[in-house]
Amino acid sequence: EAGVAQSPRYKIIEKRQSVAFWCNPISGHATLYWYQQILGQGPKLLIQFQNNGVVDDSQLPKDRFSAERLKGVDSTLKIQPAKLEDSAVYLCASSLGPQGREAFFGQGTRLTVV
Amino acid sequence: AQSVAQPEDQVNVAEGNPLTVKCTYSVSGNPYLFWYVQYPNRGLQFLLKYITGDNLVKGSYGFEAEFNKSQTSFHLKKPSALVSDSALYFCAVRDLRDDKIIFGKGTRLHILP
Repeated sequence: EAGVAQSPRYKIIEKRQSVAFWCNPISGHATLYWYQQILGQGPKLLIQFQNNGVVDDSQLPKDRFSAERLKGVDSTLKIQPAKLEDSAVYLCASSLGPQGREAFFGQGTRLTVV
Repeated sequence: AQSVAQPEDQVNVAEGNPLTVKCTYSVSGNPYLFWYVQYPNRGLQFLLKYITGDNLVKGSYGFEAEFNKSQTSFHLKKPSALVSDSALYFCAVRDLRDDKIIFGKGTRLHILP
């Protein structure tokens, strides 16, 4: 079974530039999560999709972050414009759905904003 | 809202000794609990979960965790530590009301040869 795929693995941009991350979840997984992990901290949930609908985006800084999930499969997370404090690893995860199913994670995208 | 606390930033254990990584949680309904491990420059790997049933759950790489409802804890354990167990460990809780998975801040486990 293929895992969660993310790209790119690494990205370096200047502040005020824009950047996009891509995620392909495990086939058949209805729930998709984007997390932000700042160095030394635990993953922080940014947004959660159920199929192509947003379930929770309460922690997403909507003035600069946006995300979409096309046709309930792939997802993109965008930052525009980026700030220095956005430097982090962005993790995508997917799960079959509710009822206690665990989430499976991609390897993440390490973003450095200079 | 649910929350997870991992009170120790780092745990040091000699190789061959038993290890425990602590986790306590807060959730309104029945907790669904998870442990994940993260190696350098890698994503999170699922270790084990508690959904219902036996309070002692077994997972990957010889790890197990004990669910204690009265103490709202879900501590990760292993009878005999290996140097290769050195990594960052995260406890997580899932709230079925909104399906969110919330993580603790992590505990760095360092196994001394």
